[in-house]
Amino acid sequence: EAGVAQSPRYKIIEKRQSVAFWCNPISGHATLYWYQQILGQGPKLLIQFQNNGVVDDSQLPKDRFSAERLKGVDSTLKIQPAKLEDSAVYLCASSLASGTGGYFSYNEQFFGPGTRLTVL
Amino acid sequence: DQQVKQNSPSLSVQEGRISILNCDYTNSMFDYFLWYKKYPAEGPTFLISISSIKDKNEDGRFTVFLNKSAKHLSLHIVPSQPGDSAVYFCAAIPGTASKLTFGTGTRLQVTL
Repeated sequence: EAGVAQSPRYKIIEKRQSVAFWCNPISGHATLYWYQQILGQGPKLLIQFQNNGVVDDSQLPKDRFSAERLKGVDSTLKIQPAKLEDSAVYLCASSLASGTGGYFSYNEQFFGPGTRLTVL
Repeated sequence: DQQVKQNSPSLSVQEGRISILNCDYTNSMFDYFLWYKKYPAEGPTFLISISSIKDKNEDGRFTVFLNKSAKHLSLHIVPSQPGDSAVYFCAAIPGTASKLTFGTGTRLQVTL
């Protein structure tokens, strides 16, 4: 079974430029997540999709970050304009539909390799 | 506000000995806990989990212990192997929600 694919793997841009990341989840996974992992910290959820609808984007800086998941499969995350503090690894993860099953039912999240963004 | 804390940024253990990684949490709504393992240039991979109705879960060399009253969990790896060298993240979720809150990670190095 193919895992979560992300591209590009590395990106270097200057501040105020724009950048976009792409994610292809595991086939059949309805839920897709974007995380930001700053050096020395744990991953922080930016946005969660279920199919093509947004479930949680409470920690997404909406003035500069945007994400979409057209057709409920692939997703793109965009930063415009980038700031120095956006330097991080951006991780995409997918899982079976969240909220299914009973209490304590957790659908494992499978992570992609991430995109390392450096903003100069 | 760091709701999940891993106070040891790094740990070095000899091969064959026990590795103990610790995690503390502050949010009493958390009732499902997970450990993820991360190698360089790879995404985190799920290792083991425990729900709040249990105090111990074991999977081969890996055991997770949960102390709800102390809001503390730990991961034991016995015996430690060089391939276990990685960054380990503790994570927590409330109930049926799927939003993971991660700790800052502990880098484990298993030496020969």
